[in-house]
Amino acid sequence: GAVVSQHPSRVICKSGTSVKIECRSLDFQATTMFWYRQFPKQSLMLMATSNEGSKATYEQGVEKDKFLINHASLTLSTLTVTSAHPEDSSFYICSAARRTPNTEAFFGQGTRLTVV
Amino acid sequence: QKEVEQDPGPLSVPEGAIVSLNCTYSNSAFQYFMWYRQYSRKGPELLMYTYSSGNKEDGRFTAQVDKSSKYISLFIRDSQPSDSATYLCAMARMDSSYKLIFGSGTRLLVRP
Repeated sequence: GAVVSQHPSRVICKSGTSVKIECRSLDFQATTMFWYRQFPKQSLMLMATSNEGSKATYEQGVEKDKFLINHASLTLSTLTVTSAHPEDSSFYICSAARRTPNTEAFFGQGTRLTVV
Repeated sequence: QKEVEQDPGPLSVPEGAIVSLNCTYSNSAFQYFMWYRQYSRKGPELLMYTYSSGNKEDGRFTAQVDKSSKYISLFIRDSQPSDSATYLCAMARMDSSYKLIFGSGTRLLVRP
């Protein structure tokens, strides 16, 4: 399958600071990238969808000013958690989708964010 | 009602058993169906991808889609302890947004 690289895999930050997470599709151009959040033993919750060069579309209940998404190219999307609080601690996963040869989505390895 | 329903388990089976994992969905607009495997603290890994109704086989895995019943399944033959993970079904509409909708995931434990 295609490769999606997510960095960092683990980050600890202080309350009030911002954290940037990168998601790169290494061997294909991703028409769409998705950001998910996952709490322990729960499924993935879609936070936002982004298309290259366009503003991200946020799911209901997700604060767009807190979770800034930039999709600058067909291979890179970033999620910035601004003014992080302990309740933002979670597992964040990105996904990159392609249309050819098949319409498929591949996931990064996830980022474990801990806000202290 | 959730768009995609999946029994969270856990499902515990002995090694060598045939495992059946299932999801139901309510939106007939879904056209793409996927199964992902997720190990603890890792990102999901795409296992199977299907577009139409019917069966698709890949090694020990068989994905089955019944669009008339809005029901999809993943079968694992000769299950191994290494298959122990959470299995998530996902589906998508083929529109401009291509948004994946996930089931809640089923935890599978294969006992040696």
